[in-house]
Formats: sequence, C-alpha cells, structure tokens
Amino acid sequence: SYELTQPPSVSVSPGQTARITCSGDGLAKQYTYWYRQRSGQAPVLVIYKDHERPSGIPERFSGSSVGTRATLTISGVQAEDEADYHCQSVDSSDRFVIFGGGTKLTVL
Amino acid sequence: QITLKESGPSVVMPTQTLTLTCTFSGFSLSSSGVGVAWIRQAPGKALECLALVFSSDDDRYNPSLRSRLTVSKDTSKNQVVLTMTNLDPVDTATYYCAHRPPTGYRHFDYWGPGTLVTVSS
Repeated sequence: SYELTQPPSVSVSPGQTARITCSGDGLAKQYTYWYRQRSGQAPVLVIYKDHERPSGIPERFSGSSVGTRATLTISGVQAEDEADYHCQSVDSSDRFVIFGGGTKLTVL
Repeated sequence: QITLKESGPSVVMPTQTLTLTCTFSGFSLSSSGVGVAWIRQAPGKALECLALVFSSDDDRYNPSLRSRLTVSKDTSKNQVVLTMTNLDPVDTATYYCAHRPPTGYRHFDYWGPGTLVTVSS
C-alpha cells in the first residue's frame, strides 16, 4: 500500500531554518498538504497544493516538492512553531486521503 | 465563518458500536464539491482518515476499515454521522471531523476540536 514517510523528529534553535520532509512514490503526481498540530489541539493547515499558504499563516512557512519528496520549510523558527507537523496526499486511486506519520519539531 | 464540532460518547465498551455526530455551520453539504471527513488520531500516533462524504453522495471509506464504517449526512440539520461497529481498545483515539473545500484540491481547511473516545470495559 502507498505510504508517506516523515522523520519522527527535527530539532532546531530559535532563528534557524527547519526543514521537514515527506516522501512517497505518489508525490510525483499528487500535491502535498501540510498541517501543524500543537499539543492538545486540532491540526491546522499551513501549506496546500505543495507550496500555497492559507491566509493567516506566516510567510516563514513555505513548501516545495521535487519528484517523490516534498519539503516543509520554516524560516526563522520561533518557539511557537514547536509542534507536530503532518503531511497529507492521496492514495494511488486518487480517491482517498493518506497522512504521513508526523514529525515532532522541537525548538531548542 | 466555518465551524465544526464533534459529539458522542467518551467511553465505549469493546464490541459495541460507536456513533459520532459532526455538527457544522458556515457551509452547506448541498453545495457542489464540498466534503466532510472523519479523521482519527490514536494517542501518540499518526492521523488516519476514516471516511469522506460529499455533496454528491460520493461516500469514500478507508479500505482497511470499510467493513466497519458507515457515514451519513443530514443536510437539513448540517450534520454528518459516523458509525463504527465492533469497537476494540485499539480504536481509542481522538476523532475529528474536517471540511474539504470545493476547490478540487484534497486538503482540509477547517477542523473541529476533536472528541476523545476511549474503548474500555
């Protein structure tokens, strides 16, 4: 079955750049979406259609996708960015949603 | 403004059936292309999409759980109901409902706060 793979954890110091990857064979043909989930809260969409940013999401959040790997980049990381980040795409039938395993971003 | 909220039991006994209701406002499931999904997250685990319902009655289910799930909608009440049969302790999770916009893209732009369901005797 088709899967999306994320690193379990990423750590950065405040002000640095965090990069979180999401890998999957289907990403070469399908868009990737990213969600931020702070502790005890529901997920929030931060990137859609690989690189588009919803209104209200800071410009330091950006996304890219090359081949079978998508990347969420957070520039100038702040303490408030500490959260779990989940990538999402669709399965091989293009009918159902799949999520990656999630990445815990720690701000040192 | 779009809002969603999940409701249902907080504790369910093993083998029983779970019924959850998503009550929403700010959009209509009669509008073309709009969808509502049920997504769950076991403690410390990944998000898992369970089911999707659209205005077109094109219901979709997680293939690995299809035999246990039923989703229905009541457009007059602005509600979507998820039924899951034969609950097991591994089904303990926070259950979310989420809005899919009618853009043709596959994301969820609004989520409910979630409801924790514990399966235990």
